[in-house]
Amino acid sequence: EDQVTQSPEALRLQEGESSSLNCSYTVSGLRGLFWYRQDPGKGPEFLFTLYSAGEEKEKERLKATLTKKESFLHITAPKPEDSATYLCAVQDPTGGGNKLTFGTGTQLKVEL
Amino acid sequence: SQTIHQWPATLVQPVGSPLSLECTVEGTSNPNLYWYRQAAGRGLQLLFYSVGIGQISSEVPQNLSASRPQDRQFILSSKKLLLSDSGFYLCAWTGGSYEQYFGPGTRLTVT
Repeated sequence: EDQVTQSPEALRLQEGESSSLNCSYTVSGLRGLFWYRQDPGKGPEFLFTLYSAGEEKEKERLKATLTKKESFLHITAPKPEDSATYLCAVQDPTGGGNKLTFGTGTQLKVEL
Repeated sequence: SQTIHQWPATLVQPVGSPLSLECTVEGTSNPNLYWYRQAAGRGLQLLFYSVGIGQISSEVPQNLSASRPQDRQFILSSKKLLLSDSGFYLCAWTGGSYEQYFGPGTRLTVT
C-alpha cells in the first residue's frame, strides 16, 4: 500500500528564516508527486508536479525537489502570507482513475 | 479556463437526515471527478471517483453514495447522516495531466 509521510507536522518560522518541508513516500513505480497549499477553510491549491528523481520546480519563494524516496519543499525567505498547510501526494499506480494518496500535511506559520 | 463549484459552502444537519452535496466543473469535458473528506487536522480521504457518466468507484465502505448524472456534475449523497459524517468535503477534477484541482469545499456539521 502506498504511504506518504510528511514532516514536521507543524513548523513555525520567523519572516526571512528559510527552511524545508519533507515528504517521504513508498510507492512502486512513481508516476508523479504533487505539492499543494491549503489555506484554512479552503480547498487545496495545486503548486507543483514532479515526475523523476533530480527534477526541481520553482515558484516564487518555493522550490520542490525529488529523490527516489522523498521530496522537499524549500521555502526561501518566507513571508507571513506563506503561512498555510502544505500537502504532498503521490499518484496511485494501481487501478484506474488517476487516484492520489495524500500525506497529512505540514502546517507552516510564518511570523513577523 | 476551468472552474469548479461546490455547494452549499456550509451545512448543519441533524443525525438521520438526508444529504446532497453538488459539484460542477466548467471549461472542460470528460473530466475524472473525485470526492474527498478531510477531518479536522487530518489528510484527505478519497471517498469516490468517477471516470465518466454513471461510472462510480467507491474507495471506502460507508454511509455515503455518489452519482454522476451529467459529464461535469458529481453528487455526494446520504440517506441518513451519522455524527461521524461531519467534516470538510472536497470535490476535485483532473483532465489530461495527473494533477487534481479542488473546489472550495463544503463544511458539514452533523448535530
